[in-house]
Amino acid sequence: AQKITQTQPGMFVQEKEAVTLDCTYDTSDPSYGLFWYKQPSSGEMIFLIYQGSYDQQNATEGRYSLNFQKARKSANLVISASQLGDSAMYFCAMREAFAAGNKLTFGGGTRVLVKP
Amino acid sequence: EAEVAQSPRYKITEKSQAVAFWCDPISGHATLYWYRQILGQGPELLVQFQDESVVDDSQLPKDRFSAERLKGVDSTLKIQPAELGDSAMYLCASSVDRSSGNTIYFGEGSWLTVV
Repeated sequence: AQKITQTQPGMFVQEKEAVTLDCTYDTSDPSYGLFWYKQPSSGEMIFLIYQGSYDQQNATEGRYSLNFQKARKSANLVISASQLGDSAMYFCAMREAFAAGNKLTFGGGTRVLVKP
Repeated sequence: EAEVAQSPRYKITEKSQAVAFWCDPISGHATLYWYRQILGQGPELLVQFQDESVVDDSQLPKDRFSAERLKGVDSTLKIQPAELGDSAMYLCASSVDRSSGNTIYFGEGSWLTVV
């Protein structure tokens, strides 16, 4: 079974509008971290936001917020006021505390294209 | 801001040749990762080091791939012989340690094309 599922392969969003990127995860580990990364066409993987499994509040970082619904095993990324520079691939990832090596496991990604 | 350094940025090599990638993690980061990313997919872990020790290399094709981190700082990933299917981006990453709450930071990646 996939540990991280991103069901939206690609999305268009109008500049200045908000966009929500879906992410669901599967784990039996009680302690885990959820991450979102942005990957522009240049290839670098840029860390955006982190949510811990025990965090009571949803994480926010500037225009990025994470809608964490633990019971649904969902960790959607919300980008507010989209900018042209937000056009990129976005990856959801999970790091489990007790999984072998505590490695970061990625979803398949969602490509976002911001339209002017 | 400290970064994960990788080189070369781009590499074109012929099938059956050897190729090597180098990574210098953020200073003080004990955990180092090598990921492979095929175009259009998410990265997949090849090997993970804790200091100089390999923690996880279960997905590393050991017949042709090798990785080392001799002094627990920088690391080298080698492919010999390269095959056409090895064409991908190789990403190095590091984190302070293996705690699930610590962010993993990535380098710019090394693009490999095998012809």
